[in-house]
Amino acid sequence: QSALTQPASVSGSPGQSITISCTGTSSDVGTYNLVSWYQQHPGRAPKLIISEVSNRPSGVSNRFSGSKSGNTASLTISGLQTEDEADYYCSSYTTTSSLIFGGGTKVTV
Amino acid sequence: DVQLLESGGGLVQPGGSLRLSCAASGFTFSSHSMTWVRQAPGKGLEWVAAISGSSKSTYYPDSEKGRFIISRDNSRNTLYLQMNNLRAEDTAVYYCARERLPDSWGQGTLVTVSS
Repeated sequence: QSALTQPASVSGSPGQSITISCTGTSSDVGTYNLVSWYQQHPGRAPKLIISEVSNRPSGVSNRFSGSKSGNTASLTISGLQTEDEADYYCSSYTTTSSLIFGGGTKVTV
Repeated sequence: DVQLLESGGGLVQPGGSLRLSCAASGFTFSSHSMTWVRQAPGKGLEWVAAISGSSKSTYYPDSEKGRFIISRDNSRNTLYLQMNNLRAEDTAVYYCARERLPDSWGQGTLVTVSS
């Protein structure tokens, strides 16, 4: 199964909003509301920032929000801050009981 | 707080074997599925295996069935990954994570496959 499709990089200025897309198929993103987003700083482990398309875990800034339409999920970061500079990965549960990740998006502030 | 601590990584020759461990604390280990995810140097995340809380069910990508075996010992709050017939392309940081849709991650252990 191919990876979910994310843009390789997205950039923005402090205070701006950016959106990262995550495109899958009807076998994953399109079927389940089981899309997660992870933030990963260099040399660190991934951190869950969005689960089940749009749920923010406790302690995660409300500047992060998620949504989904059809086979594409999206992560929006509003009020961009320098500490948001990191790699972001989406993931989805699939119809074959697997977990699939996107290729990752490097966010530059 | 959830804590996951991987160990067992290191340098191994092609064709060799390695067993990774992940010690869990801060939650009821047996009540949660667990997952292994790897990340090759400079690359993205790749799902490796998952196991139910009772060990009744295990899950693998079609591409890796047979070489890797996930298991757990709920009496020791420990997750394992047995890796056999290792190849250069298995070189990666291996993370253990809680749940099949990971919500907490360990810091990872580096596996290097090289002669």
